[in-house]
Parts: sequence; structure tokens; C-alpha cells
Amino acid sequence: GQNIDQPTEMTATEGAIVQINCTYQTSGFNGLFWYQQHAGEAPTFLSYNVLDGLEEKGRFSSFLSRSKGYSYLLLKELQMKDSASYLCAVRDAAAGNKLTFGGGTRVLVKP
Amino acid sequence: IAGITQAPTSQILAAGRRMTLRCTQDMRHNAMYWYRQDLGLGLRLIHYSNTAGTTGKGEVPDGYSVSRANTDDFPLTLASAVPSQTSVYFCASSDLAGGINEQFFGPGTRLTVL
Repeated sequence: GQNIDQPTEMTATEGAIVQINCTYQTSGFNGLFWYQQHAGEAPTFLSYNVLDGLEEKGRFSSFLSRSKGYSYLLLKELQMKDSASYLCAVRDAAAGNKLTFGGGTRVLVKP
Repeated sequence: IAGITQAPTSQILAAGRRMTLRCTQDMRHNAMYWYRQDLGLGLRLIHYSNTAGTTGKGEVPDGYSVSRANTDDFPLTLASAVPSQTSVYFCASSDLAGGINEQFFGPGTRLTVL
């Protein structure tokens, strides 16, 4: 099976930077996804990593280290609208390339 | 507007009743998925289908069944609902033909079983 861990909750100030960590254990790693989910809404795709390194998309960046089973999502210049849950999900080729999700990290941005 | 629709938006159901949650996508994606989301447990896969005519079991399939008669529709049926099936249900789809195969999610169905 897979084990995906991420912090339950984080609080940060508007304009600041927050880093959400995700650690995983999987037998057939085939990509890691980050999704954003606002309260009462559907998850929406944010970023994807399959090779080691940093992927940057505007204010959001995601990093992957396959040897360490570790990823992080970096949110820069935080805005109030960034208050949401952030879900880490790992795709496992040994499990038919299905996604397994972590429990999500709720980020609260304060003025 | 392209995307995934789910119906109903919410439902309160008596235990023992049969219920079908509907999911339709118009993106011609070959793969579709059903998840349930419970507080503290994240999204858990119930059933999936990689192409029309085939289905597979996910992490928590017991008490649920699915069918995939065509590309667009993927209904989820609770044959005899129980209170532990109270949850928010999300349908998703992805294109397995190429790219990174990210999943696109529907708006969800909030189900309460009493």
C-alpha cells in the first residue's frame, strides 16, 4: 500500500510564503500531483512532478525528491483567496496508475 | 461548457434505500473515477473505469457498484445505504491517451444517510 503524509493545518500572513510538505512511500512511483480545494468545492489541479527538481507556475512552485520520497508546494505572495486545502496525491504504476491522496493541508491566510 | 456534472447536489436518504449518483463528462476522457471525501481521511477511491465497458475496484468498494455503458456516463449505486456512507462524493475523469493525465473533478454530491 501507500502512505502519504502532510500536515493537517498551517496558518500564514497575507503576502508571506508558506511551504507545505508531503512525504510518501510507494512501490511504483509514477508522478506526484498537488490539488487545491476551496471549502465546499471540487479539487482543482495545481501542479505535477515526475522528475526531481522544481516546477514553477507563477506564485506556486512544487519540488520533488524521489530518493527521499518528498515533495513540497510553495505558495509565494500569499493572498486571502489562497485560503484552501492543498492535497498531495501520488500515482503508483504498481497500482494501475491510480492516485492515492494524502489527507490534505488546510491553509489559513490571515490579513 | 466542457466539464463534469454530478447529480444530485445533495441528498438525504433513509438507511436501506437504494440510491444512484449520476456523473457525466463531455471531455471524451477515457478514464473516470468515484471518490468519497471524509473529514481527516482525504479522498479515497471507490471504483474506477479506464475505458467504456470496463470497471475496477478502488480502496473502498464495499457497498457500491458502478457501470460504464458509454464514454460520458459513470453512475455510482448504493444498493442499500448505511449511515457510514454519509460523505461527499466526487466524480473525476482523465485522458489516459497522453500528457500528464491529471484528473478533473465534478462539483460533488453531499450524501447524508440517516
